Amino acid sequence: QKEVEQNSGPLSVPEGAIASLNCTYSDRVSQSFFWYRQYSGKSPELIMSIYSNGDKEDGRFTAQLNKASQYVSLLIRDSQPSDSATYLCAVNANSGNTPLVFGKGTRLSVIA
Amino acid sequence: KAGVTQTPRYLIKTRGQQVTLSCSPISGHRSVSWYQQTPGQGLQFLFEYFSETQRNKGNFPGRFSGRQFSNSRSEMNVSTLELGDSALYLCASSPVPTDYGYTFGSGTRLTVV
Repeated sequence: QKEVEQNSGPLSVPEGAIASLNCTYSDRVSQSFFWYRQYSGKSPELIMSIYSNGDKEDGRFTAQLNKASQYVSLLIRDSQPSDSATYLCAVNANSGNTPLVFGKGTRLSVIA
Repeated sequence: KAGVTQTPRYLIKTRGQQVTLSCSPISGHRSVSWYQQTPGQGLQFLFEYFSETQRNKGNFPGRFSGRQFSNSRSEMNVSTLELGDSALYLCASSPVPTDYGYTFGSGTRLTVV
């Protein structure tokens, strides 16, 4: 059973702080990793993808991947109240015939 | 360009009835995946279609079925509805199955009473 685990939160951070969201996965052959953001009452929206070990930065967002430890994280710098949402980690084995598996998400609350 | 369109947005059905949900992917996207989202279980994979063929099926009972048409539009059907089928059903499209940067539709909120 391929699993993706996230702390459900809520994770509360003050405005301007760094929010750190973590995700672990069970399938060692996983190759593709994604972070989706879902606002309340809305559908998920892709914000980051990462495929190689290390860091990938995009604006205020940094995704970090460590395949040896089977974890992927998302850092949000200078957190804003508009970042308050549920963040979903998604993983795929890239074996050509497996679906994208989602974690249950971490709810982030940025306090002004 | 137009996004992923799901219809209807909201649906209320009675136990035992059946329902059909529709998804029109982004133009040019040929891969469509369906997910069920509930507060307790999160996003759970239902099906994936590409070029009218089902490539993957999740761990759902046979009451859940789907198909894809030649224009890449997809439908899913749930027969003999149960209270536990109440959920948000999300459709996601991508150009090809190995591109997992999905674009999700707004979803269909199904309530079974």
